[in-house]
Amino acid sequence: GAVVSQHPSRVICKSGTSVKIECRSLDFQATTMFWYRQFPKQSLMLMATSNEGSKATYEQGVEKDKFLINHASLTLSTLTVTSAHPEDSSFYICSAVRYPGQTLGNEQYFGPGTRLTVT
Amino acid sequence: QKEVEQNSGPLSVPEGAIASLNCTYSDRGSQSFFWYRQYSGKSPELIMSIYSNGDKEDGRFTAQLNKASQYVSLLIRDSQPSDSATYLCAAVRKTSYDKVIFGPGTSLSVIP
Repeated sequence: GAVVSQHPSRVICKSGTSVKIECRSLDFQATTMFWYRQFPKQSLMLMATSNEGSKATYEQGVEKDKFLINHASLTLSTLTVTSAHPEDSSFYICSAVRYPGQTLGNEQYFGPGTRLTVT
Repeated sequence: QKEVEQNSGPLSVPEGAIASLNCTYSDRGSQSFFWYRQYSGKSPELIMSIYSNGDKEDGRFTAQLNKASQYVSLLIRDSQPSDSATYLCAAVRKTSYDKVIFGPGTSLSVIP
């Protein structure tokens, strides 16, 4: 299989504090991981692409100084929400890309998500 | 025009029927296509991947790809109430890196 874990699953923090979310690929190496945000009843919104050993690529409108991404190894990427505010409350989901051999495939496997609530 | 489009639904089918989910994409250079299932409050789960024209079957699921029409579909045979979820279509767009573009999702409800 292709298992991706995320930690923590739920976090409540006070406004102004920072929160770190970890994303790990447990049984495969992932040179690329993605970070998404999803608001209730809305689709996934890609925030950034995390590449091992290089800077993350952020989507338009996503503040890179607010959402810090570090892809420290082939199995770990972290997202830090800095100076969190209530509007940052959302469901944050990571995914890791597993390339199935020599095909063109780009199968993403998602972590279980982290529900962030900022009070 | 959105890059990947789906009917938002909700699509309702009776238990045991065939559910048909459709998706169109705008980038002709897209090469890989995926269907994900997402239950409420959970993260997406990969169901099917398809890379070449034609049909691909996996259990009760059949994915169909027509690159000329830029059309991808997912058929669910013998639909079960547990299939009730939002189904996300995704296409890989070639840029400087592979970028997966998700559609808005179609909500499916299987009525017992």
